[in-house]
Amino acid sequence: DGGITQSPKYLFRKEGQNVTLSCEQNLNHDAMYWYRQDPGQGLRLIYYSQIVNDFQKGDIAEGYSVSREKKESFPLTVTSAQKNPTAFYLCASDGGAYNSPLHFGNGTRLTVT
Amino acid sequence: AQSVTQLGSHVSVSEGALVLLRCNYSSSVPPYLFWYVQYPNQGLQLLLKYTSAATLVKGINGFEAEFKKSETSFHLTKPSAHMSDAAEYFCAVSGSSASKIIFGSGTRLSIRP
Repeated sequence: DGGITQSPKYLFRKEGQNVTLSCEQNLNHDAMYWYRQDPGQGLRLIYYSQIVNDFQKGDIAEGYSVSREKKESFPLTVTSAQKNPTAFYLCASDGGAYNSPLHFGNGTRLTVT
Repeated sequence: AQSVTQLGSHVSVSEGALVLLRCNYSSSVPPYLFWYVQYPNQGLQLLLKYTSAATLVKGINGFEAEFKKSETSFHLTKPSAHMSDAAEYFCAVSGSSASKIIFGSGTRLSIRP
């Protein structure tokens, strides 16, 4: 079955360390997205990519970085510059049209202490 | 610019009762509207979407939503709640930008036995 795989499910890091979250899709979608979810705040867009080797900042890109070297993969790095990195991170993809629904992975819960 | 407001961060209903989750949107262009459901520690799953073909949209799990342009609303309903409906529900709007979808802050639905 096609879908989006995020790994790991849970991730623990010490403050000051960079950490990379994996996102892989086999839906042949051009567009991929990273969202951050905090309780009571809905989803906030971190970065998105509409095509390989190109990506754009979302609403809360500071302290994060991404790459899009392959169509299937869109890893997110949470850097030490991100002030409040503990959150639930969701990766998504879609076919690119405005009415295309997003397909989501099952998320990675990052805890930084 | 687009925005979404979900009225009520938490809704509780009895099993078998009507479910009504409220969503109002603002959009400067004809909107595409979506409802997603999220179960604990999982990603979001599409319930239904409005793309102007019909104002009453039927989705999965017995849910439906009606687009009312005059009220700028897209409320989600289900005639009879089931325990398995307990989850968080997100309304979303898109239509004009490459970063696409704007999410509401979510409504947590609880079902009382």
